[in-house]
Amino acid sequence: AQSVAQPEDQVNVAEGNPLTVKCTYSVSGNPYLFWYVQYPNRGLQFLLKYITGDNLVKGSYGFEAEFNKSQTSFHLKKPSALVSDSALYFCAVRDMRSGGYNKLIFGAGTRLAVHP
Amino acid sequence: EAGVTQFPSHSVIEKGQTVTLRCDPISGHDNLYWYRRVMGKEIKFLLHFVKESKQDESGMPNNRFLAERTGGTYSTLKVQPAELEDSGVYFCASQKGVGEAFFGQGTRLTVV
Repeated sequence: AQSVAQPEDQVNVAEGNPLTVKCTYSVSGNPYLFWYVQYPNRGLQFLLKYITGDNLVKGSYGFEAEFNKSQTSFHLKKPSALVSDSALYFCAVRDMRSGGYNKLIFGAGTRLAVHP
Repeated sequence: EAGVTQFPSHSVIEKGQTVTLRCDPISGHDNLYWYRRVMGKEIKFLLHFVKESKQDESGMPNNRFLAERTGGTYSTLKVQPAELEDSGVYFCASQKGVGEAFFGQGTRLTVV
């Protein structure tokens, strides 16, 4: 079965330190992977995606993610965290049965708390 | 350009009542998706419209849920009658062609 796992409910990091939010996936074939962020009282905002090509993908707000096929992972990273990065982060993979449409399978989300 | 808009932002109803959620997609986006996040768990797919047609409704929980998209513009999701387990945040997303999916702010539904 296709699935996405975000093993950490919450990640705490000090401002200025690097951050990593973990994501692993399970799909057959080559995955289309996404990260979304939800700020308080806001909708889901697209951060970045991996379709093909370079394993290191750069996205919005200084975030990047590294696709690792052998480990079936797509961890979200940022070199220096900001307090304003505190939000709920969702990893997602396109359902491979959706015929090219963006029917997404999401993880449960990871709450990132950046402390001053 | 206006984003995806959902109404209402919050709704509190009693068990057995009916609630209708609305989603206005970005103009020109043929694809419209409904998702739901229940009790802090993963966001789950409900259904997908291409214009006014239901492309995939495999995620609809049961026949108490009815989605429509008349004229291929806005969409409604009606829950009738609502049950306690229907509580959650309902997200709508729209997409043009094979581009990114843009999400609305969600409707938080609480059934008491």
